[in-house]
Amino acid sequence: DSGVTQTPKHLITATGQRVTLRCSPRSGDLSVYWYQQSLDQGLQFLIQYYNGEERAKGNILERFSAQQFPDLHSELNLSSLELGDSALYFCASSVGDPGVHSLHFGNGTRLTVT
Amino acid sequence: EDQVTQSPEALRLQEGESSSLNCSYTVSGLRGLFWYRQDPGKGPEFLFTLYSAGEEKEKERLKATLTKKESFLHITAPKPEDSATYLCAVQRSNDYKLSFGAGTTVTVRA
Repeated sequence: DSGVTQTPKHLITATGQRVTLRCSPRSGDLSVYWYQQSLDQGLQFLIQYYNGEERAKGNILERFSAQQFPDLHSELNLSSLELGDSALYFCASSVGDPGVHSLHFGNGTRLTVT
Repeated sequence: EDQVTQSPEALRLQEGESSSLNCSYTVSGLRGLFWYRQDPGKGPEFLFTLYSAGEEKEKERLKATLTKKESFLHITAPKPEDSATYLCAVQRSNDYKLSFGAGTTVTVRA
C-alpha cells in the first residue's frame, strides 16, 4: 500500500459531462502529481501542485483543471468529456523540495466515457 | 524534451531464465532515474532510484544499473510473481515530475 488514496476507483459517464477525481496524498507529502495512462500513450504527466500552489504543467487540456486544498488533498476536474478522455488517471505524491524524491502512486481512477 | 525509450516492449521468460530490460534516455541534466513495477489495474510501485553513472541497486531478484545513456534492469532466475510491466522514468535537475517510458511487459511462465 503506497499510502496514496484515490476515489472513485471507477467512473462511467457520458460525453459532454463533467467529473471530479479525488486524491489524498501520503501523510507528510506536500507535492501531488496527476498522470493520465491510456493504452496508446503510456503515462503522461498532467500537472503538479506543491503545498497548494501549481508547480508544473504538462500536456493538460484546457477542459481539465486541478487544485490542491489546504489539507493537501487534490482534485482533478474533467469537463466536456470526450470518448478519447477514457483512461486511467493516477495521482502520485512526494515529499517535494528539496532533493530527489520518488513518487508514490495511488491505484488510479478508471474513467470510461460512453 | 526528455526522451525515455524502453526495450523490448514485451518479454516472455521461462521460470529461472534470467534476462535484462533496457531503458535509453535523453535528458538535460539528470537528477535521477527511476524504475517502477506496475501490475494490471494498479498504480506503479516504486522499485529503485539511480543517481549517477556506475551506480547499482538490488532488491531480491532485481538489479538496476545506470550508465550515462541507459539503464538496465536485470531479472535473475525470475518467478511467475515477477510478471508485470516494468517502467523506467527520468527526473531532470530543475524539475520534480517524472517522464516515463512506455514500459516492458514481462511474463514469466512456470
